[in-house]
Parts: sequence; structure tokens; C-alpha cells
Amino acid sequence: DSGVTQTPKHLITATGQRVTLRCSPRSGDLSVYWYQQSLDQGLQFLIQYYNGEERAKGNILERFSAQQFPDLHSELNLSSLELGDSALYFCASSGIGGVRAFFGQGTRLTVV
Amino acid sequence: AQSVTQPDIHITVSEGASLELRCNYSYGATPYLFWYVQSPGQGLQLLLKYFSGDTLVQGIKGFEAEFKRSQSSFNLRKPSVHWSDAAEYFCAVGAGQLSFGAGTTVTVRA
Repeated sequence: DSGVTQTPKHLITATGQRVTLRCSPRSGDLSVYWYQQSLDQGLQFLIQYYNGEERAKGNILERFSAQQFPDLHSELNLSSLELGDSALYFCASSGIGGVRAFFGQGTRLTVV
Repeated sequence: AQSVTQPDIHITVSEGASLELRCNYSYGATPYLFWYVQSPGQGLQLLLKYFSGDTLVQGIKGFEAEFKRSQSSFNLRKPSVHWSDAAEYFCAVGAGQLSFGAGTTVTVRA
């Protein structure tokens, strides 16, 4: 158990819809990272938040957004969903220094 | 920019045989390197990591990896594979924000 919790584990939704994925980092970790794992693109870094502020951005679509709340949990919002957004979305967290990231079990999103 | 190349998409190995998975990285400074394993439908489990020091790193499940700066490589090895080692293996580089290779799928035959 990495200590990083992601909910829900599975999500099935229709094209055009909007979903929210939730991540609770390990206790005390200030950084949260979001990754997308798809058959086409492999494992890609999407975005990082540190103590509530956006720190780094990767290959995140404009239809996607994230935030980190004062209690340090994070949400990834995916809107106007397309079939190609079907993927496994991972959250990871790291502490001060931020070298090693601990991964959650992921949320599997299926867009139908 | 940081990047990782895993040249082998798929490797088949007999149970009890040795395994080596290749990883080449590109990184501007001293790299932080990781190997993760992912079983079907599961999350990412960290096998081992290299930050500095001894270039031969021991990990969990009997895996080890050797960092070779001159070759920009961080190859993963296991002397004797078990059927439970069948999974996908990812090499990654970075600090917190990681760049992953495309992964190598390992099949273990009896």
C-alpha cells in the first residue's frame, strides 16, 4: 500500500460528459502528480501541484483541469469526454525534495 | 529534456532463466532512475531506484539494476525468473515528475 488513494477505481461514462477523479496523497506529501496511461500514448505526465499551486504542466489537454485543495487532496476534471480519453489515470505524491513519487492504484476511465 | 527508451517491446523467457531488460535515458544532470512493474489491471509498483552512490542497485523480488553513466543505461536484471514475474516493466527518469519508457512486456513460459 503506497498510501496514495484514488477514487473511484473504475468509471464508465458517455462521450461529451464530464467526470472528476479524486486523489488523496500520502500524509504530509505536498506534491501531487497526475499521469495518464493509454494504449496510444503510454504513460504520460499531465500536471503537478505543490501545496495548492500548479507547479508543472505536461501533455494535458485544455479539456482537462486539476486543482489541489487546502487539505492537499487533488481532483482531475475531464470534460467533453471523447473515446480516446479512455485510459488509466494515476495519481502520485511526493514529499519535500520530491525525488521519489508514490503511486496510487489508478482510476480506469472508460468512455463509451 | 528528459526521456527514456526501452528498446524491447516484448520479451519471452523460460521460468528459471535469467532476464535482462534494457533502458536508456536522456537527462541533463545526474539522473534519478526507477524501475516499476505493472501487473495486468494493476497499479505501478516500484522495484528499485537509483539516486547516487553504488551503481549496482538491489530491489524487491530479487531484481537488481546497474547504472552505467558512460552508456546512459539502467538495465534491470533477475538471475532466475518466476512465473509471477510476468508483467509489464517500466523504466523512468526524473525527480517527482517522471518520464516513462514505453514499457517491456515480459512473458514467462513454463
